[in-house]
Amino acid sequence: NAGVMQNPRHLVRRRGQEARLRCSPMKGHSHVYWYRQLPEEGLKFMVYLQKENIIDESGMPKERFSAEFPKEGPSILRIQQVVRGDSAAYFCASSPPGAGGINEQFFGPGTRLTVL
Amino acid sequence: QKEVEQNSGPLSVPEGAIASLNCTYSDRGSQSFFWYRQYSGKSPELIMFIYSNGDKEDGRFTAQLNKASQYVSLLIRDSQPSDSATYLCAVGNQAGTALIFGKGTTLSVSS
Repeated sequence: NAGVMQNPRHLVRRRGQEARLRCSPMKGHSHVYWYRQLPEEGLKFMVYLQKENIIDESGMPKERFSAEFPKEGPSILRIQQVVRGDSAAYFCASSPPGAGGINEQFFGPGTRLTVL
Repeated sequence: QKEVEQNSGPLSVPEGAIASLNCTYSDRGSQSFFWYRQYSGKSPELIMFIYSNGDKEDGRFTAQLNKASQYVSLLIRDSQPSDSATYLCAVGNQAGTALIFGKGTTLSVSS
């Protein structure tokens, strides 16, 4: 039973390029969350999505960052015109549908983004 | 800004001892509480979750929750060197849409 899958595991971009990070949730999970972990910092929530819907994007920077979770295919976190400060580990988590509140979230292996 | 606070450590315990990890949170409306373990360079791994006041035991791990004091703890009995990692406390926000993480406590278990 595959866990949360993320690719690529490592991504190197030059300043000004675009980064696309992909996440496939665990089988049976319909909720996807993206978190960012900067060096020596804690995990910070970015966005929560269900299929074709953004539920909470309060943690997303207002510019250059976007996320989607289409009806078919993985969730995508897109960073346009990357800057050095975007270098971080980006983790995706998924949880099963529930009656409300937060269910336990299971994390993928992460994508380590390095901006040169 | 809702916050989750943890001592950064390192917390050092000898093999076989009990390790006690603590966490406080600011949002009184939080209803769900989680402990994750993260090895260096790896992703967070869920260890325990707790929703009700009191204790919850799972093997060598016990989570304790006191909502009145806004306090969550994790006890690890019979600590092993393989338990050496960073332990992250996470609290669900009131809206039920996100986890708010502490910065983690580094645990070192010496053999």
